[in-house]
Amino acid sequence: GENVEQHPSTLSVQEGDSAVIKCTYSDSASNYFPWYKQELGKRPQLIIDIRSNVGEKKDQRIAVTLNKTAKHFSLHITETQPEDSAVYFCAASSGATNKLIFGTGTLLAVQP
Amino acid sequence: DGGITQSPKYLFRKEGQNVTLSCEQNLNHDAMYWYRQDPGQGLRLIYYSQIVNDFQKGDIAEGYSVSREKKESFPLTVTSAQKNPTAFYLCASTSSGRYYNEQFFGPGTRLTVL
Repeated sequence: GENVEQHPSTLSVQEGDSAVIKCTYSDSASNYFPWYKQELGKRPQLIIDIRSNVGEKKDQRIAVTLNKTAKHFSLHITETQPEDSAVYFCAASSGATNKLIFGTGTLLAVQP
Repeated sequence: DGGITQSPKYLFRKEGQNVTLSCEQNLNHDAMYWYRQDPGQGLRLIYYSQIVNDFQKGDIAEGYSVSREKKESFPLTVTSAQKNPTAFYLCASTSSGRYYNEQFFGPGTRLTVL
């Protein structure tokens, strides 16, 4: 079935370093790829998304890249800050139904 | 944080009881979703509804039921048939259309079976 794999499951970086989280998807018909940030005990919130007609999108310190041929996409956070510490989820749209398939999440810890 | 609300925030259930989780949105969104979140397993889709009076099973629908009688409301019932219901439940909504749009999440309900 449709599947999204996300790596790594945990990531620890020093403040100011960059962080990269990678996802692969199985449904070649997927055309929408959002990233959500979830702080402890709170709701997930969208931080950036990309559609299949573009290869890269940037918003300040956050960027997402998409490789449709390889069916993978990545989240890049530069100049990390302690407030970036959270769980990050990637997702891919389902080609067959109107729903999102989520990855299993990455716990990012930014050490001051 | 307005727009989509869930109640209660915490819910305790005895084994063998059915409980209903509330989800309401005032965003005029057509589509609504229920997810279950367990540690290390991300968000798993339970049920979703794209229009009033219609809904589809997600990946883990067994032991759950929903209704969509009003556009604003999408309650989830956790039945006694759900063998391991302790989890964090998230409701989400999105506007429908030709292209995918952002899913907005509610604050969640943490259900614990005693």
